[in-house]
Amino acid sequence: DTGVSQDPRHKITKRGQNVTFRCDPISEHNRLYWYRQTLGQGPEFLTYFQNEAQLEKSRLLSDRFSAERPKGSFSTLEIQRTEQGDSAMYLCASTPPRAGGYTFGSGTRLTVV
Amino acid sequence: AQSVTQLGSHVSVSEGALVLLRCNYSSSVPPYLFWYVQYPNQGLQLLLKYTTGATLVKGINGFEAEFKKSETSFHLTKPSAHMSDAAEYFCAVSDGTKGFGNEKLTFGTGTRLTIIP
Repeated sequence: DTGVSQDPRHKITKRGQNVTFRCDPISEHNRLYWYRQTLGQGPEFLTYFQNEAQLEKSRLLSDRFSAERPKGSFSTLEIQRTEQGDSAMYLCASTPPRAGGYTFGSGTRLTVV
Repeated sequence: AQSVTQLGSHVSVSEGALVLLRCNYSSSVPPYLFWYVQYPNQGLQLLLKYTTGATLVKGINGFEAEFKKSETSFHLTKPSAHMSDAAEYFCAVSDGTKGFGNEKLTFGTGTRLTIIP
């Protein structure tokens, strides 16, 4: 297994456009997390899934943001009508059912111009 | 609610010198505590974690941290800095009453470690 994979690595978009990111977790991991990291800050929790169920969403996740994990495997994070303030690194992580420990992907860096 | 404070957004040490990165946490429940390292344009890699048991935790690359409940601290140390230790370090806390450390993480703002040759 090659770890948590995120695609694309970099995305530049114009303000107002929609973007979608994909995360492929480690196959036996049932939990999948999305975090956002802005420059000079630590990652901030956005949302997480246990299998296909989205169990918690942060207040940071405005109605322009939506995340899915339709079959409990890969997940997508979509941002509609992007704003410059959405520019950040979006990190995905997965964890196994027991024994603890996150595995983070390398992230998708979004730049809104 | 949980929070993490990392004192010193930038720390510089000479190669071979002691590394000390400070982390204080606030938690209304027993915490699980973590240190992660991040290299430029990379995700986060776990250095070490405290869940239960021994309060002195050893991690990868010669790092260790001590959980001090009375001081609500989890400082990261390494006896002798190496050039390859230059990176951003994040302390994080999660709810220690649930699960196995798989819960949502609350991160500090990070400390950038620079190693002086």
